[in-house]
Amino acid sequence: ETGVTQTPRHLVMGMTNKKSLKCEQHLGHNAMYWYKQSAKKPLELMFVYSLEERVENNSVPSRFSPECPNSSHLFLHLHTLQPEDSALYLCASSQDWGALSGGRTGELFFGEGSRLTVL
Amino acid sequence: DAKTTQPPSMDCAEGRAANLPCNHSTISGNEYVYWYRQIHSQGPQYIIHGLKNNETNEMASLIITEDRKSSTLILPHATLRDTAVYYCIVSGANSKLTFGKGITLSVRP
Repeated sequence: ETGVTQTPRHLVMGMTNKKSLKCEQHLGHNAMYWYKQSAKKPLELMFVYSLEERVENNSVPSRFSPECPNSSHLFLHLHTLQPEDSALYLCASSQDWGALSGGRTGELFFGEGSRLTVL
Repeated sequence: DAKTTQPPSMDCAEGRAANLPCNHSTISGNEYVYWYRQIHSQGPQYIIHGLKNNETNEMASLIITEDRKSSTLILPHATLRDTAVYYCIVSGANSKLTFGKGITLSVRP
């Protein structure tokens, strides 16, 4: 139990569906992240939110839309996905981000991931 | 952030120490060395981090060379549950951890 909870754990969707992944952290952290892990590839950072403001967007296609309504919740809205978007989507949180971290990278706490299959 | 180089895989016997090497020859003065591991189909788990000095916690020890160009993660008594992919990451002030391919550790009975 890492204090970061992701739902659903598994999701199968068609290319025309709209779905959302949810992440909730109970650690009082100020920064939250979405990572993507495709089969046999390294984790790819997608988005970073710090104090509910998006601070990093790594050229992610617009069919992925993040939302951070408060510092404890992070969503990834999915729309018109492609089969190659099938992957494990991981949420993480850390105490702070960037300058707020005092020049030191914060340890990341990851959820168990949401396994997405796009048909 | 500096790049790291790790062998693709290694194995060790259960109960023995596992020494996982990492090269980071381009590390800069304000960058930390982080180690994470990922057990199959789970999210990565933080293990340990260090700047200059060697560090130890309940999971592992981190030995950083004096020139900081390489480090070794030591699992003192490896168990079957330590079988995982171990990531060595160097990162500075912006909290952006870039994961590479890591090293796959297989602990054999």
